[in-house]
Amino acid sequence: DAEITQSPRHKITETGRQVTLACHQTWNHNNMFWYRQDLGHGLRLIHYSYGVQDTNKGEVSDGYSVSRSNTEDLPLTLESAASSQTSVYFCASSQEGTNSPLHFGNGTRLTVT
Amino acid sequence: QKEVEQNSGPLSVPEGAIASLNCTYSDRGSQSFFWYRQYSGKSPELIMSIYSNGDKEDGRFTAQLNKASQYVSLLIRDSQPSDSATYLCAVRGNTGFQKLVFGTGTRLLVSP
Repeated sequence: DAEITQSPRHKITETGRQVTLACHQTWNHNNMFWYRQDLGHGLRLIHYSYGVQDTNKGEVSDGYSVSRSNTEDLPLTLESAASSQTSVYFCASSQEGTNSPLHFGNGTRLTVT
Repeated sequence: QKEVEQNSGPLSVPEGAIASLNCTYSDRGSQSFFWYRQYSGKSPELIMSIYSNGDKEDGRFTAQLNKASQYVSLLIRDSQPSDSATYLCAVRGNTGFQKLVFGTGTRLLVSP
Protein backbone atom coordinates (compact mmCIF):
# COMPACT_ATOMS: atom_id res chain seq x y z
CA ASP A 1 0.00 0.00 0.00
CA ALA A 2 1.11 3.56 -0.67
CA GLU A 3 2.17 5.53 2.37
CA ILE A 4 4.03 8.53 3.73
CA THR A 5 6.94 7.82 6.06
CA GLN A 6 8.40 10.42 8.35
CA SER A 7 11.65 10.05 10.25
CA PRO A 8 12.66 10.29 12.95
CA ARG A 9 9.47 9.87 15.01
CA HIS A 10 11.04 11.72 17.92
CA LYS A 11 13.99 14.09 17.99
CA ILE A 12 15.61 16.10 20.74
CA THR A 13 18.11 18.73 19.70
CA GLU A 14 19.83 21.77 21.10
CA THR A 15 19.24 25.40 20.28
CA GLY A 16 21.28 26.53 17.30
CA ARG A 17 21.76 23.11 15.72
CA GLN A 18 20.67 22.31 12.18
CA VAL A 19 18.02 19.62 12.01
CA THR A 20 16.51 17.83 9.02
CA LEU A 21 13.22 15.95 9.15
CA ALA A 22 12.66 13.40 6.42
CA CYS A 23 9.45 12.75 4.49
CA HIS A 24 9.11 10.02 1.88
CA GLN A 25 5.89 9.16 0.04
CA THR A 26 5.07 6.28 -2.28
CA TRP A 27 1.75 7.72 -3.51
CA ASN A 28 3.52 9.29 -6.51
CA HIS A 29 1.84 12.59 -5.63
CA ASN A 30 3.22 15.80 -7.03
CA ASN A 31 1.92 17.90 -4.13
CA MET A 32 3.70 17.69 -0.79
CA PHE A 33 3.25 19.80 2.35
CA TRP A 34 4.83 20.35 5.74
CA TYR A 35 2.65 21.43 8.68
CA ARG A 36 3.41 22.03 12.31
CA GLN A 37 0.82 21.43 15.01
CA ASP A 38 0.79 23.31 18.29
CA LEU A 39 -1.82 23.49 21.02
CA GLY A 40 -4.18 26.36 20.32
CA HIS A 41 -2.92 26.91 16.79
CA GLY A 42 -3.94 23.78 14.97
CA LEU A 43 -2.11 22.76 11.82
CA ARG A 44 -0.12 25.56 10.24
CA LEU A 45 1.51 25.33 6.83
CA ILE A 46 5.29 25.72 6.76
CA HIS A 47 6.29 24.96 3.15
CA TYR A 48 4.80 23.17 0.19
CA SER A 49 5.80 21.87 -3.21
CA TYR A 50 3.80 21.21 -6.37
CA GLY A 51 6.52 19.17 -8.03
CA VAL A 52 10.23 18.56 -8.51
CA GLN A 53 12.28 21.74 -8.09
CA ASP A 54 9.20 23.67 -6.93
CA THR A 55 8.99 25.00 -3.37
CA ASN A 56 6.77 27.65 -1.78
CA LYS A 57 6.54 29.34 1.59
CA GLY A 58 3.58 28.81 3.84
CA GLU A 59 2.30 30.96 6.68
CA VAL A 60 5.06 30.04 9.20
CA SER A 61 8.13 29.51 7.00
CA ASP A 62 10.69 31.63 8.88
CA GLY A 63 13.59 29.47 10.07
CA TYR A 64 12.66 26.53 7.82
CA SER A 65 13.65 25.43 4.34
CA VAL A 66 12.75 22.58 1.98
CA SER A 67 14.11 21.17 -1.24
CA ARG A 68 12.44 18.89 -3.79
CA SER A 69 14.88 16.92 -5.90
CA ASN A 70 12.53 14.03 -6.70
CA THR A 71 8.84 13.21 -6.49
CA GLU A 72 9.09 11.02 -3.39
CA ASP A 73 10.94 13.21 -0.88
CA LEU A 74 10.48 16.61 0.73
CA PRO A 75 12.97 17.04 3.61
CA LEU A 76 12.37 19.91 6.05
CA THR A 77 15.44 21.66 7.45
CA LEU A 78 15.58 23.87 10.50
CA GLU A 79 18.62 26.01 9.82
CA SER A 80 19.28 26.96 13.45
CA ALA A 81 16.82 25.34 15.81
CA ALA A 82 15.01 27.55 18.31
CA SER A 83 12.87 26.62 21.29
CA SER A 84 9.87 28.13 19.50
CA GLN A 85 10.23 25.35 16.93
CA THR A 86 9.42 22.68 19.48
CA SER A 87 6.34 21.12 17.91
CA VAL A 88 4.85 18.13 16.16
CA TYR A 89 5.59 18.18 12.43
CA PHE A 90 3.40 16.49 9.84
CA CYS A 91 4.23 15.83 6.23
CA ALA A 92 1.35 15.34 3.80
CA SER A 93 0.81 14.75 0.11
CA SER A 94 -2.05 14.98 -2.35
CA GLN A 95 -2.91 14.54 -5.97
CA GLU A 96 -3.53 17.61 -8.08
CA GLY A 97 -7.11 18.79 -8.12
CA THR A 98 -9.44 20.82 -5.97
CA ASN A 99 -11.15 17.77 -4.51
CA SER A 100 -8.03 15.85 -3.55
CA PRO A 101 -7.58 15.28 0.18
CA LEU A 102 -4.28 15.29 2.02
CA HIS A 103 -2.68 12.04 3.15
CA PHE A 104 -0.60 12.47 6.30
CA GLY A 105 2.51 10.83 7.64
CA ASN A 106 2.73 9.74 11.28
CA GLY A 107 4.45 12.89 12.41
CA THR A 108 7.74 13.84 14.05
CA ARG A 109 7.81 15.21 17.58
CA LEU A 110 10.69 17.67 17.81
CA THR A 111 11.95 19.10 21.08
CA VAL A 112 14.49 21.93 21.04
CA THR A 113 16.24 22.39 24.39
CA GLN B 1 -10.74 36.78 11.58
CA LYS B 2 -9.36 33.27 11.23
CA GLU B 3 -9.84 31.62 7.86
CA VAL B 4 -11.41 28.49 9.36
CA GLU B 5 -13.06 28.58 12.77
CA GLN B 6 -14.18 25.79 15.04
CA ASN B 7 -15.30 25.68 18.64
CA SER B 8 -12.47 24.02 20.56
CA GLY B 9 -14.84 22.19 22.90
CA PRO B 10 -14.81 19.78 24.47
CA LEU B 11 -18.17 18.68 23.14
CA SER B 12 -19.48 16.01 25.48
CA VAL B 13 -22.22 13.61 24.36
CA PRO B 14 -23.50 10.32 25.79
CA GLU B 15 -23.01 7.08 23.90
CA GLY B 16 -25.70 6.63 21.26
CA ALA B 17 -26.42 10.34 20.86
CA ILE B 18 -25.85 12.54 17.80
CA ALA B 19 -22.73 14.68 17.91
CA SER B 20 -22.84 17.88 15.87
CA LEU B 21 -19.57 19.57 14.95
CA ASN B 22 -19.51 22.95 13.26
CA CYS B 23 -17.08 24.94 11.17
CA THR B 24 -17.22 28.36 9.50
CA TYR B 25 -14.85 29.73 6.88
CA SER B 26 -14.05 33.17 5.58
CA ASP B 27 -13.11 32.63 1.92
CA ARG B 28 -16.39 32.79 0.00
CA GLY B 29 -14.73 31.21 -3.03
CA SER B 30 -13.72 28.03 -1.20
CA GLN B 31 -14.17 24.94 -3.30
CA SER B 32 -13.76 21.81 -1.21
CA PHE B 33 -14.19 20.86 2.41
CA PHE B 34 -12.83 18.02 4.48
CA TRP B 35 -13.29 16.57 7.95
CA TYR B 36 -10.36 14.82 9.59
CA ARG B 37 -10.34 12.86 12.83
CA GLN B 38 -7.25 12.96 15.01
CA TYR B 39 -6.70 10.73 18.00
CA SER B 40 -4.30 11.95 20.67
CA GLY B 41 -0.70 11.45 19.54
CA LYS B 42 -1.73 10.31 16.06
CA SER B 43 -1.90 11.91 12.64
CA PRO B 44 -5.10 13.28 11.09
CA GLU B 45 -7.14 10.79 9.08
CA LEU B 46 -9.74 11.74 6.50
CA ILE B 47 -13.31 10.79 7.34
CA MET B 48 -15.44 12.92 5.01
CA SER B 49 -15.18 15.29 2.08
CA ILE B 50 -17.89 17.49 0.57
CA TYR B 51 -17.89 19.81 -2.41
CA SER B 52 -21.51 20.76 -3.13
CA ASN B 53 -24.22 22.36 -1.05
CA GLY B 54 -26.36 19.89 0.86
CA ASP B 55 -25.76 16.70 2.76
CA LYS B 56 -23.40 13.82 2.15
CA GLU B 57 -23.77 10.63 4.16
CA ASP B 58 -21.23 7.87 4.79
CA GLY B 59 -22.26 5.33 7.38
CA ARG B 60 -22.77 7.09 10.72
CA PHE B 61 -21.26 10.32 9.39
CA THR B 62 -23.08 13.11 7.57
CA ALA B 63 -21.35 16.20 6.26
CA GLN B 64 -23.46 19.28 5.57
CA LEU B 65 -22.38 22.25 3.47
CA ASN B 66 -24.00 25.66 3.11
CA LYS B 67 -21.82 27.88 0.92
CA ALA B 68 -24.14 30.89 1.22
CA SER B 69 -23.68 30.86 5.00
CA GLN B 70 -20.04 29.72 4.71
CA TYR B 71 -20.76 26.89 7.07
CA VAL B 72 -19.89 23.20 7.10
CA SER B 73 -20.86 20.68 9.73
CA LEU B 74 -20.31 17.04 10.63
CA LEU B 75 -22.96 14.91 12.30
CA ILE B 76 -22.01 11.66 13.97
CA ARG B 77 -24.99 9.43 14.66
CA ASP B 78 -25.03 6.72 17.33
CA SER B 79 -21.84 8.15 18.84
CA GLN B 80 -19.43 5.61 20.32
CA PRO B 81 -16.66 6.07 22.89
CA SER B 82 -14.23 5.24 20.08
CA ASP B 83 -15.38 8.44 18.35
CA SER B 84 -13.73 10.46 21.12
CA ALA B 85 -11.08 12.46 19.28
CA THR B 86 -10.36 15.89 17.88
CA TYR B 87 -12.15 16.68 14.63
CA LEU B 88 -10.44 19.04 12.23
CA CYS B 89 -12.26 21.00 9.57
CA ALA B 90 -10.16 21.78 6.49
CA VAL B 91 -11.00 24.08 3.60
CA ARG B 92 -9.41 24.48 0.21
CA GLY B 93 -9.86 28.10 -0.76
CA ASN B 94 -9.87 30.06 -3.94
CA THR B 95 -6.27 31.24 -3.54
CA GLY B 96 -3.22 29.04 -3.16
CA PHE B 97 -5.02 26.48 -5.23
CA GLN B 98 -3.85 23.24 -3.66
CA LYS B 99 -3.41 24.29 -0.05
CA LEU B 100 -5.69 23.17 2.74
CA VAL B 101 -6.35 25.52 5.65
CA PHE B 102 -7.25 23.83 8.91
CA GLY B 103 -9.34 24.91 11.85
CA THR B 104 -7.95 24.35 15.33
CA GLY B 105 -10.26 21.40 15.87
CA THR B 106 -13.12 20.43 18.16
CA ARG B 107 -12.50 17.84 20.86
CA LEU B 108 -15.33 15.34 21.13
CA LEU B 109 -15.84 13.23 24.24
CA VAL B 110 -18.34 10.37 24.09
CA SER B 111 -19.17 8.95 27.49
CA PRO B 112 -20.35 5.33 27.94
